[in-house]
Amino acid sequence: DSGVTQTPKHLITATGQRVTLRCSPRSGDLSVYWYQQSLDQGLQFLIQYYNGEERAKGNILERFSAQQFPDLHSELNLSSLELGDSALYFCASSARTHNEQFFGPGTRLTVL
Amino acid sequence: AQTVTQSQPEMSVQEAETVTLSCTYDTSENNYYLFWYKQPPSRQMILVIRQEAYKQQNATENRFSVNFQKAAKSFSLKISDSQLGDTAMYFCALETSGSRLTFGEGTQLTVNP
Repeated sequence: DSGVTQTPKHLITATGQRVTLRCSPRSGDLSVYWYQQSLDQGLQFLIQYYNGEERAKGNILERFSAQQFPDLHSELNLSSLELGDSALYFCASSARTHNEQFFGPGTRLTVL
Repeated sequence: AQTVTQSQPEMSVQEAETVTLSCTYDTSENNYYLFWYKQPPSRQMILVIRQEAYKQQNATENRFSVNFQKAAKSFSLKISDSQLGDTAMYFCALETSGSRLTFGEGTQLTVNP
């Protein structure tokens, strides 16, 4: 158990819908990262937050957004969902930059 | 831009034997970190080992060790005394000043009894 929690574990929805994925980092970790793992794109970095502020952006679509709240949990919002958004979404946390990132169990999103 | 390449999509090894997984990377930065993550069938991402680029000494964690060749931009993982529980997808990852991890395509390792 990495100490990072993600909910829900599985999510099945339809095209065009909007979903919210939630992540709680390890106690004391200020950085939260979101990654997408899909069959065709592999593991890709989406976005990073540090203590409530956006720190870095990767290949995140405009239909996707995220935020980190004062209690340090983070949410990833995916809207206007397409079939190609089906993937495993990981959240990771670290105490500071260049520390090991500890991954949550992931949320498997299926878009039908 | 950073890239990580794992040229072995699949590998297999007999239990108790040694196996080496290859990884090459490219970055223009001098200060960076390299990692190997393991993803078993449960899909959980588990950190196996970490190497700081400024350290010449190769990292070791029990049965896992790396061969870090900075000039060649190579970072291979050696697993000694392979166990059935080592069966997993292994990802090489690079972290630079931006803190994000860039992952390779992965190597599926199967340990046979």
